[in-house]
Amino acid sequence: NAGVTQTPKFQVLKTGQSMTLQCAQDMNHEYMSWYRQDPGMGLRLIHYSVGAGITDQGEVPNGYNVSRSTTEDFPLRLLSAAPSQTSVYFCASSSLVPGQGRGYGYTFGSGTRLTVV
Amino acid sequence: SQQGEEDPQALSIQEGENATMNCSYKTSINNLQWYRQNSGRGLVHLILIRSNEREKHSGRLRVTLDTSKKSSSLLITASRAADTASYFCATDAKNYGQNFVFGPGTRLSVLP
Repeated sequence: NAGVTQTPKFQVLKTGQSMTLQCAQDMNHEYMSWYRQDPGMGLRLIHYSVGAGITDQGEVPNGYNVSRSTTEDFPLRLLSAAPSQTSVYFCASSSLVPGQGRGYGYTFGSGTRLTVV
Repeated sequence: SQQGEEDPQALSIQEGENATMNCSYKTSINNLQWYRQNSGRGLVHLILIRSNEREKHSGRLRVTLDTSKKSSSLLITASRAADTASYFCATDAKNYGQNFVFGPGTRLSVLP
């Protein structure tokens, strides 16, 4: 059971370059999300999805795009990388969508450490 | 602004001692969770407590929730060196579709 798989683990980009961070889960989870983690800031939500074909913005969506064409995959695209996007990016999934009330935990990937120079 | 805020930012204890971390939040919640993150790794879900619960246990972990004070605490009893990690509380917020919002974390060091 692989859980949530993120690739690549490390990436260095030049300012202005674009790239896609991959996230895949094999647990048939409806909910998937992307967070970025910066020192002293905790995790901040970038985008999330409650099912295939449905995405929405989180707290810090600017400069990022997402799509959800399948249940398993939720890629995050950086359109034109900036040094402010240097961070560690985590993908998370859950079997229940937010607001369902019964309570659930997120399963996290191991992260992608991105440096923009 | 962050929904949850852990306190202290850093905590250093000896093996065998108890460790207590606190989390305060700003708006009403349905659920509060605690996660652990080992250095260079993803977050691991530890425990979830619902707004109508006051205390929950899981092994050496005890979580309390006081909705009147908008605060929660995580107690780790008989700590071990392997408990060294950062600990985060996460609360579901009415913003952003009730996704969970994470605080900046408490860094716990357990010295052998």
